[in-house]
Parts: sequence; structure tokens; C-alpha cells
Amino acid sequence: QQQVKQSPQSLIVQKGGISIINCAYENTAFDYFPWYQQFPGKGPALLIAIRPDVSEKKEGRFTISFNKSAKQFSLHIMDSQPGDSATYFCAARTKGGANNLFFGTGTRLTVIP
Amino acid sequence: SAVISQKPSRDICQRGTSLTIQCQVDSQVTMMFWYRQQPGQSLTLIATANQGSEATYESGFVIDKFPISRPNLTFSTLTVSNMSPEDSSIYLCSVAYRDTIYFGEGSWLTVV
Repeated sequence: QQQVKQSPQSLIVQKGGISIINCAYENTAFDYFPWYQQFPGKGPALLIAIRPDVSEKKEGRFTISFNKSAKQFSLHIMDSQPGDSATYFCAARTKGGANNLFFGTGTRLTVIP
Repeated sequence: SAVISQKPSRDICQRGTSLTIQCQVDSQVTMMFWYRQQPGQSLTLIATANQGSEATYESGFVIDKFPISRPNLTFSTLTVSNMSPEDSSIYLCSVAYRDTIYFGEGSWLTVV
């Protein structure tokens, strides 16, 4: 059973546009929600993360929006660039748990010039 | 941040053989993990490598197939035993460091 559901599976965005990737979860024990960016041939790299005590976190062009009541969180990439083309994974970790992550299924983003 | 080095980065293996993947981190960490990522798929946790005790395996993964060592706080190995083509995957070492999870570049195994 997929603990973190991610959509869409793939996304094509024009350069300069906004990319939006959504994730949802059921387990209320999750307390840490990171996003990872993975380029072909590379391991996942931490992009940005949020905890449920805030509703939004912004780092440069990347913003996480978090809706605790709806158990949803999303990644917004503003002014998307061709260099942002990668696979993005949302994830969640339980508080007080073993510190391991549950991953979404991934979104392949393509930004076209 | 924690810097993770994995070896080998890539290998082609014969069916029925075993391969050991090494993971070295530049800081002492309590938690080390091994993940598998099959082609085009998401990441699945294989096990948590515990220093000084046996690894904790997730459902669907067993010690006989994926033996793990964790001799100290900066190093771990994962062995993929008696490989079959279904084991062709990326194997990723991960650590928890200062409340953040970091990943190595992965070891890409192709079993022929």
C-alpha cells in the first residue's frame, strides 16, 4: 500500500511557467515532508522540506504548500527552467520512528524552452 | 550536509553471483539505510543498517538475500546474493544526519 500518493506521473511545462506537483498521505504520524530531485544517473538530492507546523516554505523558486487538515502537500516551481527537468519525489517520515522515508511514486518533469 | 560515497557506481553481474556494495559517509551517523530503486520506479526501503547489531529488514526483503554489515558509524555494506535479472536496480545508501536524510549517488547493477 502506497503511504504517500503523488501526482501527476509526468508533467510538461513551458519555460517560465509554474510546475505543480501534489502529494497526499493518510498517516497522521508523519511529521517531516521532504522533496527530492533526481537527475538521470544520479541519486536523489534533497530540494526542500517542511514540517506540519507551518503551511508554506519557500526557498528561491521552490515552494512547499502544506495543508494539514487535508493531509496534502505540494511543490511549486516558479519560473521553471529547462535545468529543472528531472524526476521529483515527495516523501514523508514518521515522528519518533526509525527515521526512514516513505516515498511517492515520482513525477517526471520536462521543461521545454 | 553529509557526503556519501558508494562503490561500485555501476556493474554488470552474472546471474547466480553475489555483489557487495560499499557505503562510506564523511560524518558519524546513527542511522544508515539501504534503498532499492528499480528502473523508472520510486525508492523502496530494503533495511536499516544498525551499528553493532543485525539490520532491520522491511517486508519482502530477507537477510539471506541482502546481508548487511555495519561495522562502525561511517560505513556499511549491502550484498546482493545469488543475483537474478529481477535484481537489476539502483541500490542507494542513505543516512540520517542532523535530522535530514541524504542519499549517495547509487550503485547501478545490471544482472545478465
